[in-house]
Amino acid sequence: NAGVTQTPKFRVLKTGQSMTLLCAQDMNHEYMYWYRQDPGMGLRLIHYSVGEGTTAKGEVPDGYNVSRLKKQNFLLGLESAAPSQTSVYFCASSRQGGPDTQYFGPGTRLTVL
Amino acid sequence: GEDVEQSLFLSVREGDSSVINCTYTDSSSTYLYWYKQEPGAGLQLLTYIFSNMDMKQDQRLTVLLNKKDKHLSLRIADTQTGDSAIYFCAEGSGYSTLTFGKGTMLLVSP
Repeated sequence: NAGVTQTPKFRVLKTGQSMTLLCAQDMNHEYMYWYRQDPGMGLRLIHYSVGEGTTAKGEVPDGYNVSRLKKQNFLLGLESAAPSQTSVYFCASSRQGGPDTQYFGPGTRLTVL
Repeated sequence: GEDVEQSLFLSVREGDSSVINCTYTDSSSTYLYWYKQEPGAGLQLLTYIFSNMDMKQDQRLTVLLNKKDKHLSLRIADTQTGDSAIYFCAEGSGYSTLTFGKGTMLLVSP
């Protein structure tokens, strides 16, 4: 099993450009999450999904959209990137909620100039 | 809203014990977690404890929970240089989401 994979690993955007980050998991997990990690801020939840076709807002959803058309994939979109979205983005998945382990991907480092 | 606080930095010598502390505010927290993040990598779950437990031990790791004071600690016995990483405390009370602390950077010197 590859676990949780993220594409791309690094990206540099100009302000106003758009992009999509792809997260894929091969563990047949129901739940998937997108976090951003900023220095001194820890991890903050952007959006999450509790199953195929569902999405929900997390703590910092503004400026991002997500889609979960297939159970194994969770896409994070930035329609018009801003420098404030410079961050490291982590995807995670879990079999279910509650105490179930969240498995994290390796992260995507995004810089918006 | 929920808040999870951790000290930002801890430095120990190899072979010593490390204790990383965490406080949380949500009294309805059901599960409390410790994650480890090595440089350039994602988070890895180390251990978790149910809120009705006081202690959990797993090899070199000991988790203590004081629910009254909403205080969680992670003790690493015989700390090794490979334990150098950022350690995140997290609490879960909702259906599926976690609230993370800002992380404690543990530096282990030889």
